[in-house]
Amino acid sequence: TVVTQEPSLSVSPGGTVTLTCALSSGSVSTAYYPTWYRQTPGQPPRTLIFSTNSRSSGVPDRFSGSILGDKAALTITGAQADDESDYYCAMSLTSDIWVFGGGTKLTVL
Amino acid sequence: QLHLVESGGGVVQPGGSLRLSCAASGFTFSSHDMHWVRQAPGEGLEWVAVISYDGNNRNYADSVKGRFVISRDQSKDTLYLQMNSLRVDDTALYYCARPKDNGYEYIRIIEYWGRGTLVTVSS
Repeated sequence: TVVTQEPSLSVSPGGTVTLTCALSSGSVSTAYYPTWYRQTPGQPPRTLIFSTNSRSSGVPDRFSGSILGDKAALTITGAQADDESDYYCAMSLTSDIWVFGGGTKLTVL
Repeated sequence: QLHLVESGGGVVQPGGSLRLSCAASGFTFSSHDMHWVRQAPGEGLEWVAVISYDGNNRNYADSVKGRFVISRDQSKDTLYLQMNSLRVDDTALYYCARPKDNGYEYIRIIEYWGRGTLVTVSS
């Protein structure tokens, strides 16, 4: 199973952008507990959204998660310069199989 | 405070072996499943393996199945990854990671990460 994310996206400061996460095997389900991470250079990933749409502690409410059509989605509203980062989705396909997407490099300009 | 500290990385020739360790602290190690996740230089994250809280169940990504073995020592609060028949494409930063918590939902969320240990497979 391959998980596909947009390799790169750009957004203007104050704008809205949606990152998506698709499964080669079919539709993304909430039963896969889609999770979104942000990773800055030299740091481990940090959880932003888990279980499709739950925000981790301390994550601003301008980050939101959802299922859009057959994909998991991370929407950032009111983008800020320091949102520029790499974003990864992950899914737990079963209780003992996890997969990560290839990541999206988000540019704010 | 929860800490995961990986060690054991280094440079190894193709076909060689290496054992990674992850020292856990700040939580009851024996109560939690544990994972290894890797990241090749400049690339994305790849899930490698999981082991159940009691060590009785393990699973692996297809890319490492038959070559890597995940294990744990409850008396030492330490997670291991024995890597055999290493290939150039195993070169990566290897992270030890823990689920958010126990319970049917949180156990499916990889939440806590170490800082990783770098494995380089090169002749």
